[in-house]
Amino acid sequence: DGGITQSPKYLFRKEGQNVTLSCEQNLNHDAMYWYRQDPGQGLRLIYYSQIVNDFQKGDIAEGYSVSREKKESFPLTVTSAQKNPTAFYLCASTGTGPYQPQHFGDGTRLSIL
Amino acid sequence: AQKITQTQPGMFVQEKEAVTLDCTYDTSDQSYGLFWYKQPSSGEMIFLIYQGSYDEQNATEGRYSLNFQKARKSANLVISASQLGDSAMYFCAMREVFSGGYNKLIFGAGTRLAVHP
Repeated sequence: DGGITQSPKYLFRKEGQNVTLSCEQNLNHDAMYWYRQDPGQGLRLIYYSQIVNDFQKGDIAEGYSVSREKKESFPLTVTSAQKNPTAFYLCASTGTGPYQPQHFGDGTRLSIL
Repeated sequence: AQKITQTQPGMFVQEKEAVTLDCTYDTSDQSYGLFWYKQPSSGEMIFLIYQGSYDEQNATEGRYSLNFQKARKSANLVISASQLGDSAMYFCAMREVFSGGYNKLIFGAGTRLAVHP
């Protein structure tokens, strides 16, 4: 079945450590997105990518970095510069056309040790 | 800038009854799309229904329907015959399209729905 796979499901970060969240999709979608969700709140856009080797900052990109070397993969690195990384992270992708829905992965919960 | 407002932090409904979740939006675009997503306690985001600004009829998908009032800039989600499994967070979102073909979703703060037996 086609879909989006995020790993790991749970991740713990030590102070000063960079961690990378994986997102892989087999939907043949061009556009991919990373969102952050804090408890009881909506989703905020971190980074997005329309095509391979191109990505744009979203609303809260500080302390995060991404790469898009393959169409299927859009990993997110939470750097040590992100002082409050504890949150739920969701990856999404969407097909061609402005009115295609975004399809989401199951998310990664990141906590500070 | 586009904005989505969901004014109901929490709602509850009796099983088998209908419930309406409110969503208002603000945009200067003539062409736009509105989406509703469901987020159960497990965290995944499930796409429910879509309404285009030029669609003449309200969207429906099974027990979900969208009460779209363009002049009032509202896109309320109606869930008919509520089930216990409908208990979740519900998010309204709007597609923002800008130069270069980039587009992203703007999400509201969400409404937590509790279905009581």
